[in-house]
Amino acid sequence: DIVMTQSPDSLAVSLGERATINCKSSQSIFYSSNNKNYLAWFQQKPGQPPKLLIYWASTRESGVPDRFSGSGSGTDFTLTISSLQAEDVAVYYCQQYYTTLGTFGQGTKLEIK
Amino acid sequence: QVQLQESGPGLVKPSETLSLTCTVSGGSVSSGSYYWSWIRQPPGKGLEWIGFIYYSGSTNYKPSLKSRVTISVDTSKNQFSLKLSSVTAADTAMYYCARASGWVDSWGQGTLVTVSS
Repeated sequence: DIVMTQSPDSLAVSLGERATINCKSSQSIFYSSNNKNYLAWFQQKPGQPPKLLIYWASTRESGVPDRFSGSGSGTDFTLTISSLQAEDVAVYYCQQYYTTLGTFGQGTKLEIK
Repeated sequence: QVQLQESGPGLVKPSETLSLTCTVSGGSVSSGSYYWSWIRQPPGKGLEWIGFIYYSGSTNYKPSLKSRVTISVDTSKNQFSLKLSSVTAADTAMYYCARASGWVDSWGQGTLVTVSS
């Protein structure tokens, strides 16, 4: 199994400031034949299912605000929220889909400072 | 826009079989572009992909659960189902049905299943 490890486990950021969440895979999830990284990011608010934010490591899902961005390649990836809003309080998960049955990171809890 | 809705008992006794059904609307389980999945989340914990099924009936299960899991599809009802046998308290979780094409792009609201006598 590819193990996904997120850091930090929790994060407190002031409104309007930048929030950065990291995700590291235990092996490369970059497929050279199509030049793509097989990584997605999700946001989960209490009592709700996860919501897709980003796929292919940096492609924003339709309707997702542009303050959310994804970057990275190979084994190291980052989700950045450029200017934190109150509605961004949630747990964020990365997921690799390089293997057919994908695996998720343990989650990062984002709060307001 | 596709919608998924889980249904089934919220309470299952230890050693019995957990059975859930996912009804799909706004899309077809016969679509060859997607695989229809079950993902669970124990209370306060992270996400675990249990397995998935293609419209053709081919399946892929998490190895640690493979001996206890069966996922099936009913194209006539536009539904797919999960059976998990010999459950224990460790199987207590929110169970989500979902649609994936690599990443998961649609989720049901989830149903909480508690294993308790």
